Amino acid sequence: DAGVTQSPTHLIKTRGQHVTLRCSPISGHKSVSWYQQVLGQGPQFIFQYYEKEERGRGNFPDRFSARQFPNYSSELNVNALLLGDSALYLCASSSWTSGSTDTQYFGPGTRLTVL
Amino acid sequence: GIQVEQSPPDLILQEGANSTLRCNFSDSVNNLQWFHQNPWGQLINLFYIPSGTKQNGRLSATTVATERYSLLYISSSQTTDSGVYFCAVGDSGGSNYKLTFGKGTLLTVNP
Repeated sequence: DAGVTQSPTHLIKTRGQHVTLRCSPISGHKSVSWYQQVLGQGPQFIFQYYEKEERGRGNFPDRFSARQFPNYSSELNVNALLLGDSALYLCASSSWTSGSTDTQYFGPGTRLTVL
Repeated sequence: GIQVEQSPPDLILQEGANSTLRCNFSDSVNNLQWFHQNPWGQLINLFYIPSGTKQNGRLSATTVATERYSLLYISSSQTTDSGVYFCAVGDSGGSNYKLTFGKGTLLTVNP
């Protein structure tokens, strides 16, 4: 089975632009989470989506938004890009259901550079 | 929110040596995962270990949830073990599920 896939692999944008990152979870997984990893730090939680509903949001500004589609793939959108948004964006999928815990599997990430 | 501290921050070993990485967390958790991040950024699952002990080849992990720590053991290290090792704890509050990561341990294994 294919693992978590993300596109694009790399992206270069300028300040003020908008970006859309995409993620496809492991087949059968209905939960998708997004994380941001800046250089030298551990990943930080941005969003979790489950069954197309937002279930959790980290401490990120409203410029960050996401959605999940009927096939459980997901998009992360970032508006009005700032230099500080330069980071590796990671998507994770799991077979999580409400009240449970489960292993999260991460994709290869999208490396975003904002100039 | 929950705090995760990893030690040591950096570790340099000669090939063949053994090592122990530690993860302390500040509150009760119902999930803990260890990851290895390769130079390309991919987070590779090593263990899902909210409690107890697991082994996988040269790697093993122990979590003592009541004392809020976990240990990752690497035996007979190889150069391919180099990279950043992350501990992440999960807090499933029922309505959502997120992992909180430590800052990682940068392991360098020299030939």
